[in-house]
Amino acid sequence: GENVEQHPSTLSVQEGDSAVIKCTYSDSASNYFPWYKQELGKRPQLIIDIRSNVGEKKDQRIAVTLNKTAKHFSLHITETQPEDSAVYFCAAKDNAGNMLTFGGGTRLMVKP
Amino acid sequence: DAGVIQSPRHEVTEMGQEVTLRCKPISGHDYLFWYRQTMMRGLELLIYFNNNVPIDDSGMPEDRFSAKMPNASFSTLKIQPSEPRDSAVYFCASSSTNTDTQYFGPGTRLTVL
Repeated sequence: GENVEQHPSTLSVQEGDSAVIKCTYSDSASNYFPWYKQELGKRPQLIIDIRSNVGEKKDQRIAVTLNKTAKHFSLHITETQPEDSAVYFCAAKDNAGNMLTFGGGTRLMVKP
Repeated sequence: DAGVIQSPRHEVTEMGQEVTLRCKPISGHDYLFWYRQTMMRGLELLIYFNNNVPIDDSGMPEDRFSAKMPNASFSTLKIQPSEPRDSAVYFCASSSTNTDTQYFGPGTRLTVL
């Protein structure tokens, strides 16, 4: 089955700096890669996703890149703000059904 | 749309008691997922359904856990008997065959004393 590794597990940045979170996956058949943000005490919420036919996708301060050959994808947050502080999860989905395999999460702390 | 609905939001029970968690998926979604989240183990998939049929229950910890989906708009996750190590936040999520995105409910925080 699919295995998703996520790094780092914690990340502390200064407000205004950029943050990068990286994930690797094992199943070359995976074709959908979402990123979720989970604030303390809240549910995971989708912030951006990318499909295997696209190399990069941007949404304002957030971007995701995908390298299918290397089987890794990354989340980039620019101009970080204190409200970006949360746990971020990457995930991967293969062609069989709609099941997602999640990474272990990254706790991002943005210091004002 | 109201989104995925879960009840109760909080449950405190004593060891040995039966616990039932409930979930209403987004209307029109044909996939439903049950997850458990703890600090130690992160976000774990317990079981998922497609068109009300259980597809993969390999994540269910043991026979004390059971899940049902009697119709397209309702699912339950039951723990009997409950144990302190079952304390966690349980999330339900749903998605559609036409889109891959999973939408999570608000979760049920379970505490077993």
